[in-house]
Amino acid sequence: DAKTTQPTSMDCAEGRAANLPCNHSTISGNEYVYWYRQIHSQGPQYIIHGLKNNETNEMASLIITEDRKSSTLILPHATLRDTAVYYCIVRAGYSGGGADGLTFGKGTHLIIQP
Amino acid sequence: GAVVSQHPSWVICKSGTSVKIECRSLDFQATTMFWYRQFPKQSLMLMATSNEGSKATYEQGVEKDKFLINHASLTLSTLTVTSAHPEDSSFYICSATPPGQLEKLFFGSGTQLSVL
Repeated sequence: DAKTTQPTSMDCAEGRAANLPCNHSTISGNEYVYWYRQIHSQGPQYIIHGLKNNETNEMASLIITEDRKSSTLILPHATLRDTAVYYCIVRAGYSGGGADGLTFGKGTHLIIQP
Repeated sequence: GAVVSQHPSWVICKSGTSVKIECRSLDFQATTMFWYRQFPKQSLMLMATSNEGSKATYEQGVEKDKFLINHASLTLSTLTVTSAHPEDSSFYICSATPPGQLEKLFFGSGTQLSVL
């Protein structure tokens, strides 16, 4: 799986949009971009994933650059409960051979300020 | 979304004893579950892949005789830390993937193990 680079930490004001960048310059054509987050002392939570088109769900939006070498996770209206470590993970899409475990990097510690 | 339940949430044990952690998929069947370990201020590290009805697959550097994994049913996988020592103190997390959503992993809430 391709390597990702994320800032170690970020601050964002409550109510504002939080934009979390991720660099994945070595991404392959069949690899998806996944985002998970981990609130302190809990298991990770799936947020969103995409291949090349921008994606949106009830939690966040994912913007992937045209060359797919970087992406941005957007939390449109951050709340204090969004304080967590956010992991950007690149992995090949499911090919029918069975589920695979994820490889987590160090992620970005997002701190929402009141 | 799918629910993965993990028990216990935390456990304290004496050095040399064994501890069992359970991971259950509550509303789906999982032929495969994953076990992770996380030390303080570090990221999650995949320990092993638990396969229903067959032996688990361990990541390099993980001792299979120390971390016993049993996946006896489609909704339950257990991790037993045998002869635990203080260096085994960590946050252990399991995950599973529902059929039809194999691109996502759902995680348990984790088990904090403290070995005295």
